Amino acid sequence: KAGVTQTPRYLIKTRGQQVTLSCSPISGHRSVSWYQQTPGQGLQFLFEYFSETQRNKGNFPGRFSGRQFSNSRSEMNVSTLELGDSALYLCASSSRGGNIQYFGAGTRLSVL
Amino acid sequence: AQSVSQHNHHVILSEAASLELGCNYSYGGTVNLFWYVQYPGQHLQLLLKYFSGDPLVKGIKGFEAEFIKSKFSFNLRKPSVQWSDTAEYFCAVTRDNYGQNFVFGPGTRLSVLP
Repeated sequence: KAGVTQTPRYLIKTRGQQVTLSCSPISGHRSVSWYQQTPGQGLQFLFEYFSETQRNKGNFPGRFSGRQFSNSRSEMNVSTLELGDSALYLCASSSRGGNIQYFGAGTRLSVL
Repeated sequence: AQSVSQHNHHVILSEAASLELGCNYSYGGTVNLFWYVQYPGQHLQLLLKYFSGDPLVKGIKGFEAEFIKSKFSFNLRKPSVQWSDTAEYFCAVTRDNYGQNFVFGPGTRLSVLP
């Protein structure tokens, strides 16, 4: 089985721009979670989607949003980028039982 | 809100030394516990997990962890580390029957000197 695929791997944006990140889960997995990883804050949960519905949400401002498509692929959008949004964004998928998450390689976003 | 703490920010060991990384969580109910590892330049990988049953859990690459409910702890151990174990290790907790909303610890960076 192919693993969790995230695209693009690297992104460079400037302040004020918006960005969309993509995640393709493992085939058959319907749950997709997003995390932000930074050296200072570690891994922080952004949100989780299951069957196209947001099921859980972390403590991030409304500039961070996401969606999930009928094929379980998910996108994450960050609008009005700030310097502090520079991070590695990780996507994880899990099966319906949901107790084990499998992570993608991440998208490294640099905001200049 | 549940939280996860890891005792050490950075651990430096020589090859063949024994390893123990501490992890404590705050949630009082039934939990599922995980250790993930992130090797340099690679993505997070599951090392081992505990859902129920034997509190001593064996994972990949010779790692094991012990769940001590009374101490809210899930410490990771390895009797003899190798240079290739150099990585960042994350403890994570999720509540039973929810499966999502994982809470990760801040991570412990392990450096193994050859």
